[in-house]
Amino acid sequence: KAGVTQTPRYLIKTRGQQVTLSCSPISGHRSVSWYQQTPGQGLQFLFEYFSETQRNKGNFPGRFSGRQFSNSRSEMNVSTLELGDSALYLCASSESNYNSPLHFGNGTRLTVT
Amino acid sequence: QKEVEQDPGPLSVPEGAIVSLNCTYSNSAFQYFMWYRQYSRKGPELLMYTYSSGNKEDGRFTAQVDKSSKYISLFIRDSQPSDSATYLCAMTSRGSGAGSYQLTFGKGTKLSVIP
Repeated sequence: KAGVTQTPRYLIKTRGQQVTLSCSPISGHRSVSWYQQTPGQGLQFLFEYFSETQRNKGNFPGRFSGRQFSNSRSEMNVSTLELGDSALYLCASSESNYNSPLHFGNGTRLTVT
Repeated sequence: QKEVEQDPGPLSVPEGAIVSLNCTYSNSAFQYFMWYRQYSRKGPELLMYTYSSGNKEDGRFTAQVDKSSKYISLFIRDSQPSDSATYLCAMTSRGSGAGSYQLTFGKGTKLSVIP
């Protein structure tokens, strides 16, 4: 099976702009989660989607949003970018059961200047 | 106090050494415990996944969970230069939505295995 695919791999944006990141989960996986990774904070949970519905949300401002499509693919959007949004954004998929482990993609490296 | 504490290292060992990586946690609600390995410019890769207290072995890797002490460990035997990476512990707790859950990660330990 192909793994989790994230596009693009790298992005450079300026403050105030918005950005959309894309994630294709492992085939058959219905749950998609997003995490932000920074050197200072490590990996932090953004949100989780299952069957096109957001099931859970972390402690991030409303500028961070996401959605999931009927084929389980997911996108996340960050509006009004700030310098502090520079990070590696990781998408993970699972079979959706509580005891299913997460499998991560290689992330999108976002740099905000 | 953070929910999950992990020594960031860096940890440097000679090839062939036994490596011990550890995490402590404070939240009794954590139920599933994982270890991920992350190479530079890559996403985390699942190494080990455990639920109950005790040991789980997979090749050169052994994961140990002690729920009474809120302490988990990963042991790497006969360490290789290819094991050089950042190792992240992660723990699962239920989320706010029905059926949802999320991982809480340690900050990661950077390991270098010297040939």
